[in-house]
Amino acid sequence: GIQVEQSPPDLILQEGANSTLRCNFSDSVNNLQWFHQNPWGQLINLFYIPSGTKQNGRLSATTVATERYSLLYISSSQTTDSGVYFCAVRSGGSYIPTFGRGTSLIVHP
Amino acid sequence: GAVVSQHPSRVICKSGTSVKIECRSLDFQATTMFWYRQFPKQSLMLMATSNEGSKATYEQGVEKDKFLINHASLTLSTLTVTSAHPEDSSFYICSAATGPQGGYTFGSGTRLTVV
Repeated sequence: GIQVEQSPPDLILQEGANSTLRCNFSDSVNNLQWFHQNPWGQLINLFYIPSGTKQNGRLSATTVATERYSLLYISSSQTTDSGVYFCAVRSGGSYIPTFGRGTSLIVHP
Repeated sequence: GAVVSQHPSRVICKSGTSVKIECRSLDFQATTMFWYRQFPKQSLMLMATSNEGSKATYEQGVEKDKFLINHASLTLSTLTVTSAHPEDSSFYICSAATGPQGGYTFGSGTRLTVV
C-alpha cells in the first residue's frame, strides 16, 4: 500500500515563528487532507488539497502531486496551534485514508 | 460543513462489561464510516470500515467478536467493546466520508478507561 511520511516528527517553536511541515507519499493520490489534532484529541480538518495551493488565514498548504509531496505552512504561530498535525491520503480505488505518523508541534508563549 | 457527533467523550467501565460508542453524522448521510484506535503519541490505527446495511470490514488483527460494529442507518454507526479489559483502554475515533471524492470528517473521540 501507499506509504506516507511526515517530517519533522517533533517541532518546538516560539510564538510568532513560522514553520513548514512536510508530507511525502509513495504513490499518486486522489485525495489528501491535513488535520490538526488538538490536545483534547479532536481532529480538525484544515485542508482538502489533492493538488494546488490553498490558504486559510495564517495557514496555507501546497500539494505538488507530480512530485508526491505536500507542505503545510504555519505563519505567526500561536500557542493554540500546538497539537499534532496529520497528513492523510487516499490513492487508487481505495476509499480508506492512509495516515502519516504526524508532526507534534509545541508553541511556547 | 459536515459534522460528526461522537458519544460518549469519556467513559470508565469495569473489566468484563461492555461499552457502546455512538457516531452520528448530523447534517449528511454517511454510507461509510471508519473506526480508529489511537494509542498515546501515535497515529490513528484503522480498526474497521463500517458500511450502512452490511457487515463491517475489519482490519487484520482486530477481533470482530470483541469490537462489534453496527451501521444500521445512514446517520449512525456504533462500536461496542465487549467484555472490556484494561488493555482495551484507548482513544477511539470515528470518521465519515463526505463524498466519493470528498474528504473525511472526524468525531471528537471517546477516551475509554477499563478498570
